Amino acid sequence: DQQVKQNSPSLSVQEGRISILNCDYTNSMFDYFLWYKKYPAEGPTFLISISSIKDKNEDGRFTVFLNKSAKHLSLHIVPSQPGDSAVYFCAASGTYKYIFGTGTRLKVLA
Amino acid sequence: DTGVSQDPRHKITKRGQNVTFRCDPISEHNRLYWYRQTLGQGPEFLTYFQNEAQLEKSRLLSDRFSAERPKGSFSTLEIQRTEQGDSAMYLCASSLTGTGGEKLFFGSGTQLSVL
Repeated sequence: DQQVKQNSPSLSVQEGRISILNCDYTNSMFDYFLWYKKYPAEGPTFLISISSIKDKNEDGRFTVFLNKSAKHLSLHIVPSQPGDSAVYFCAASGTYKYIFGTGTRLKVLA
Repeated sequence: DTGVSQDPRHKITKRGQNVTFRCDPISEHNRLYWYRQTLGQGPEFLTYFQNEAQLEKSRLLSDRFSAERPKGSFSTLEIQRTEQGDSAMYLCASSLTGTGGEKLFFGSGTQLSVL
């Protein structure tokens, strides 16, 4: 039972354009959501998070949107840069346990 | 202290051997997690400590796996009688409770290859 889903395994975007990564979840008890970025042979690096009491959180080029009724969150990266090329994981938490999606590989083309 | 440290970074072993990994969390963090990641998958929860108490073990963690966190500081993950299916990246993460939305901070992982 996959409680957190990232249905797009990969995404290619031109440099300077917007990247939109999507994530769906099934458990309504999740109340905290995070996005991580991962390069090969490294651990995931925290990017941005959002609490269920909010619907938007912004940090520089990164914005996370949460639609609780749809159980959907998205990460927007504007403008996209070649250094953003990596695998992005969304994660959800309801207590102490964090459940991760399967990831979306973003490639930003120069 | 600059982050979560894991040792070794890489481990190659023969099937049937025992291996042990170490994780040093961020010093003030009281929660410590072990995750496992295989190619094309997201990190999968294995186990979780709050201070020195192991509060949950995933059903993914067979009897061959054991984790400890003596004195609530560093943690070790031991795999006995390794199998080829144990090949994966083993990730350690730590967090601090009471910060209003806890962020997990990951180490660089230990890549295990079982031949």
